[in-house]
Amino acid sequence: DTAVSQTPKYLVTQMGNDKSIKCEQNLGHDTMYWYKQDSKKFLKIMFSYNNKELIINETVPNRFSPKSPDKAHLNLHINSLELGDSAVYFCASSLRTGAAEQYFGPGTRLTVT
Amino acid sequence: AQSVAQPEDQVNVAEGNPLTVKCTYSVSGNPYLFWYVQYPNRGLQFLLKYITGDNLVKGSYGFEAEFNKSQTSFHLKKPSALVSDSALYFCAVRDGSYGGATNKLIFGTGTLLAVQP
Repeated sequence: DTAVSQTPKYLVTQMGNDKSIKCEQNLGHDTMYWYKQDSKKFLKIMFSYNNKELIINETVPNRFSPKSPDKAHLNLHINSLELGDSAVYFCASSLRTGAAEQYFGPGTRLTVT
Repeated sequence: AQSVAQPEDQVNVAEGNPLTVKCTYSVSGNPYLFWYVQYPNRGLQFLLKYITGDNLVKGSYGFEAEFNKSQTSFHLKKPSALVSDSALYFCAVRDGSYGGATNKLIFGTGTLLAVQP
C-alpha cells in the first residue's frame, strides 16, 4: 500500500564513492521530485520530472544525476560523494505540476564519512 | 521571487489549549499555499492547501488555516492541541499566476510544535 517508496532508507558511504537512491510511486502521478533536507531541517528542491521529462533542475552540482525510466520511477545517482552531501533525501510525487499537493517518501538518510 | 517565512523555530503549547503556527509569504501573483507536517524520521505529509475561495481552509487531523491577503499570512491553527500533534510543521508557497511547469514549491524553514501533557 506504500504510496511513495525509497530505497535504501539509510546509506553510509565514504567520500569519493558513487551511490544511487531509488524512488517509486504507485499513485499514478505524472510528476516526481527530489528534495534535500539538511541538518537544520531546511528543505530544498533539487529536481522535478513530469512524465519522464526534466522540468526543474536547481543549482545542484553535476555530480547529482536524476534518471526517470518511466513516470513511476525517479532515481538519483550521486558521483564522487562529498561530506557536504550528507543529508536526508526525499522523493515526492504529485498528480501534476501546479496546485497539486505533493506526497513524500520516507526519506533516505545519507551519511558520507 | 516567491518566499515564505516561519518566524518561530519552536512553539510550545499545553495539551487542550489552542495552537497557532505562523506563516507569512511573498509572491508577485496569486499565492497557492500549503501546510505539511513531518513526524520524526518520516517524510512530509500534506495537511491542507489554499488555492482560492473561502479564506478558512480545513485540513487533516482537525487543523485549519486562515488565509489573510492583507497581512500576507497563512497561519495554521487547531482549537485543542494533542500531544500527538508534536512534530515539525512546514508552510510552503508557489505563485499561482505563473502556470509554468518550472514553478516550484518554496518551503519555509519549519516550526517545531511541542505539545506538553
